[in-house]
Amino acid sequence: KAGVTQTPRYLIKTRGQQVTLSCSPISGHRSVSWYQQTPGQGLQFLFEYFSETQRNKGNFPGRFSGRQFSNSRSEMNVSTLELGDSALYLCASSRSLTGGDYEQYFGPGTRLTVT
Amino acid sequence: EDQVTQSPEALRLQEGESSSLNCSYTVSGLRGLFWYRQDPGKGPEFLFTLYSAGEEKEKERLKATLTKKESFLHITAPKPEDSATYLCAVQAGRDDKIIFGKGTRLHILP
Repeated sequence: KAGVTQTPRYLIKTRGQQVTLSCSPISGHRSVSWYQQTPGQGLQFLFEYFSETQRNKGNFPGRFSGRQFSNSRSEMNVSTLELGDSALYLCASSRSLTGGDYEQYFGPGTRLTVT
Repeated sequence: EDQVTQSPEALRLQEGESSSLNCSYTVSGLRGLFWYRQDPGKGPEFLFTLYSAGEEKEKERLKATLTKKESFLHITAPKPEDSATYLCAVQAGRDDKIIFGKGTRLHILP
């Protein structure tokens, strides 16, 4: 069974640019969550989508946005990039949100460097 | 404010030297507590889910336990391949928010 895939794996952008990251969940998983991981702050929750609807959002500025498609694939977008956005962006999928099916499986991440 | 704190931040053990990692939490309405393992350059790998105080789960040399305020990840007779960062996360509140701790970096010396 294929795992969570994320593209691209590495990305270098310049301040002020925007970026779109993609995530394909495990087949049959309808929930997709995004996290930002930095050495100082650890893993921080960005947002979660379930059946194309954003269910939860973390404490990030509006420059961070996302969406989910009917096939459960998800994208996140960061506009007007800042140096502090340099991080590993992780996507995780799960079958559902509760009821014992909330085991999250993570992708390898996209390493974003903003210069 | 909901919080998850892991200790110690880093731990060095000799091969075969058993120990425990701690995850303490202050949240309202705990729905589940999760343990993950993360190797450098990779995404976290799911290990366990615990739902209620008193629950225990085991996998090879790892055993996770849960109380009303904290969880422990016990590592018995660790091997060098157990070296990794171990992350704890909780799902809590009406909005099922997920909060991660900052992890414990475990290094097992041969």
